Amino acid sequence: DVKVTQSSRYLVKRTGEKVFLECVQDMDHENMFWYRQDPGLGLRLIYFSYDVKMKEKGDIPEGYSVSREKKERFSLILESASTNQTSMYLCASSPPAGSRSYEQYFGPGTRLTVT
Amino acid sequence: KQEVTQIPAALSVPEGENLVLNCSFTDSAIYNLQWFRQDPGKGLTSLLLIQSSQREQTSGRLNASLDKSSGRSTLYIAASQPGDSATYLCAVKGSGSRLTFGEGTQLTVNP
Repeated sequence: DVKVTQSSRYLVKRTGEKVFLECVQDMDHENMFWYRQDPGLGLRLIYFSYDVKMKEKGDIPEGYSVSREKKERFSLILESASTNQTSMYLCASSPPAGSRSYEQYFGPGTRLTVT
Repeated sequence: KQEVTQIPAALSVPEGENLVLNCSFTDSAIYNLQWFRQDPGKGLTSLLLIQSSQREQTSGRLNASLDKSSGRSTLYIAASQPGDSATYLCAVKGSGSRLTFGEGTQLTVNP
């Protein structure tokens, strides 16, 4: 079974702090994704990475950055956390876009509260 | 731009009923469609994946159908149980790596 893990289930941070959310997958997937999920807004893509050190902006990249130094690990960084970044953050991984078995697998989520 | 709509937004049924969740998409040039389940405060669990060349997929009490030309998919749940209570999301994949998600249907199965 594909396993995607996220470093924390719940996180509370103060405004202005630098926040790191970590995601690890064990299926040797090329693609990794970071989403945020908010009531009434659904799932929104923040960033994704299609290879080590490669990244592409999603729909809402402002206020976030990412790092992918190893294939299995994808980090989301909030440079200076703000209260409007309070949300559920979901990580996912998948094979490459052209893969016959393309499917996204999600981690358990991190509920981040910024106070 | 692909848009995915799920109707209804919420559904409440008594235990034992068969039910259908709907998903529609605006661009029929999809690669595949994936149905997910999400429990409150948790991540998404993949239920069924239908390739664009397929008409349906089945897993246990779940059956998903795909009509690409009309831009529709349905998720049929047979003999619903309280444990089926969750939010169900559909997502479509185009030529790239990104998925376009619907807003989900929140299902409540009452004992």
